[in-house]
Amino acid sequence: GQSLEQPSEVTAVEGAIVQINCTYQTSGFYGLSWYQQHDGGAPTFLSYNGLDGLEETGRFSSFLSRSDSYGYLLLQELQMKDSASYFCAPRGRGQGGKLIFGQGTELSVKP
Amino acid sequence: NAGVTQTPKFRVLKTGQSMTLLCAQDMNHEYMYWYRQDPGMGLRLIHYSVGEGTTAKGEVPDGYNVSRLKKQNFLLGLESAAPSQTSVYFCASSYSREPSGELFFGEGSRLTVL
Repeated sequence: GQSLEQPSEVTAVEGAIVQINCTYQTSGFYGLSWYQQHDGGAPTFLSYNGLDGLEETGRFSSFLSRSDSYGYLLLQELQMKDSASYFCAPRGRGQGGKLIFGQGTELSVKP
Repeated sequence: NAGVTQTPKFRVLKTGQSMTLLCAQDMNHEYMYWYRQDPGMGLRLIHYSVGEGTTAKGEVPDGYNVSRLKKQNFLLGLESAAPSQTSVYFCASSYSREPSGELFFGEGSRLTVL
């Protein structure tokens, strides 16, 4: 079975740092992906964590702790264009290739 | 490279009508997916395919059928549309069987059932 939890909304100001958390329960866990979706648009891949620790890609970083079944996406130097929905998606052994997404966190960046 | 293309992009149906959404990818991807997205519900997996000629149920398969007769195409059918199927439908594809395999999404098909 699988369960996922993300906050539904987060608000932050331009230039700030924001963290979006994701807790999961996934059988045979492999790793955790993150996707970004701007309003009305197609989701796009941001990052994948297969190992514990921090993965950094520019202003975005993603963290994974397998022992805590927990991950987060860290966005630094927030810009207005970062206003979007962010989805975590755990991968599990035996899922046969399917990818289940969390309900998403809507990030609003204010001036 | 077109990536993942969905047709049609918009459609209005009456209750009970049938229709097919077409997803085409030109990246030679093995895996293809159909998701629906409703306000506050995130992306929910309807059906998916791990290769030509195969399909499997996702989280919310009822009321939908799919076919993957060609590797590049994944069709989603609604046999008798209901207002509850009003949604935005996203198709996605992935090449890698590895867990890190990135999904590439189409731009979405907006369906309204009256």
